[in-house]
Amino acid sequence: KAGVTQTPRYLIKTRGQQVTLSCSPISGHRSVSWYQQTPGQGLQFLFEYFSETQRNKGNFPGRFSGRQFSNSRSEMNVSTLELGDSALYLCASSAVNEQFFGPGTRLTVL
Amino acid sequence: EDQVTQSPEALRLQEGESSSLNCSYTVSGLRGLFWYRQDPGKGPEFLFTLYSAGEEKEKERLKATLTKKESFLHITAPKPEDSATYLCAVRSGYSTLTFGKGTMLLVSP
Repeated sequence: KAGVTQTPRYLIKTRGQQVTLSCSPISGHRSVSWYQQTPGQGLQFLFEYFSETQRNKGNFPGRFSGRQFSNSRSEMNVSTLELGDSALYLCASSAVNEQFFGPGTRLTVL
Repeated sequence: EDQVTQSPEALRLQEGESSSLNCSYTVSGLRGLFWYRQDPGKGPEFLFTLYSAGEEKEKERLKATLTKKESFLHITAPKPEDSATYLCAVRSGYSTLTFGKGTMLLVSP
């Protein structure tokens, strides 16, 4: 069974730009969660989608948004990038309780 | 609000030197405590889920235990390939996972 895939793996953007990250969950998993990981803050929850509906949301500004498609694939978007948005963005999919993570997208904002 | 604290932040062991990592948590209604392993530049890899006090799970050199306030990840006779950051997370109610900051383990040959 294929794992969670994320594209792209690496991104370099400049301040003010916007970015879209993509996540394909494990086949059959309907829940997709997004996390931001930085050395100082660790893993912080962004949002969770289930059957195309946002089920939970973390404490991030409105510049961070996401969506989920009917095939469970998910995208997250960050608008007006700031230097502090540089991080590893992780996507996780789950069927019941355990979450399985993808390899992440390393975003660098210059 | 769920809280997870992991200790120590970093741990250096010699190959074969057994030890334990600690995860203290505060939740209202535990729906699972999760252990993950993360290698540099990669996503966390799922290890264990524990649901109730007294529960134990094992995988190779790793054994996870759970009490009402903390969980331990015991590493028996570690090898250099066990070097990684170990993350603990909890889920309560219908919330998503709350992670600790992790313990960075380095096992020297």
